[in-house]
Amino acid sequence: SQQGEEDPQALSIQEGENATMNCSYKTSINNLQWYRQNSGRGLVHLILIRSNEREKHSGRLRVTLDTSKKSSSLLITASRAADTASYFCATESLNDYKLSFGAGTTVTVRA
Amino acid sequence: GAGVSQSPSNKVTEKGKDVELRCDPISGHTALYWYRQRLGQGLEFLIYFQGNSAPDKSGLPSDRFSAERTGESVSTLTIQRTQQEDSAVYLCASSLNTYDVANTQYFGPGTRLTVL
Repeated sequence: SQQGEEDPQALSIQEGENATMNCSYKTSINNLQWYRQNSGRGLVHLILIRSNEREKHSGRLRVTLDTSKKSSSLLITASRAADTASYFCATESLNDYKLSFGAGTTVTVRA
Repeated sequence: GAGVSQSPSNKVTEKGKDVELRCDPISGHTALYWYRQRLGQGLEFLIYFQGNSAPDKSGLPSDRFSAERTGESVSTLTIQRTQQEDSAVYLCASSLNTYDVANTQYFGPGTRLTVL
């Protein structure tokens, strides 16, 4: 079963706007990771946030983590057409090496 | 190589035939994972290899699925007597060390399997 649940399932925005997606999970975690997938093929790792961190930045990406609510958000600022992709959160649970992936958020950036 | 590679990139087969999918992990990565992704869905964990330890097969959906890995190199995922429900993209990933706190996985491009 999937640990993470992304919300919304799909998002369509204009180029230059910000995109925000959320992830909720069920069990305690070591870390939470966000991946991007283009055209249904390989996933690319974007950013990792550890359970003792609350916010992390990488370029135009901002990730927050609220372990009390078991939720995370990914913000993409100043979106570009190239950001069009599916975005997945994945959690690494305590004492478990496997990553559990959510169903993903499909983001479409309109030029 | 620079990244995880998988072959073939696409495979079309007839129901009932066996297929073999290959994964070459990043050199030096001790952990290797196989996932299945059905159209429009997230990733399902299938199997995990870590060094010479016994693999974790808990995600394999049936006994038609099996996988092998030689040492810390190539892995093959075999699906016997394929069914139409096996149609999916099969993704392989590797990571440096399971016990590293930051267990980032690096994914291959996947093999798209279509069972007619």
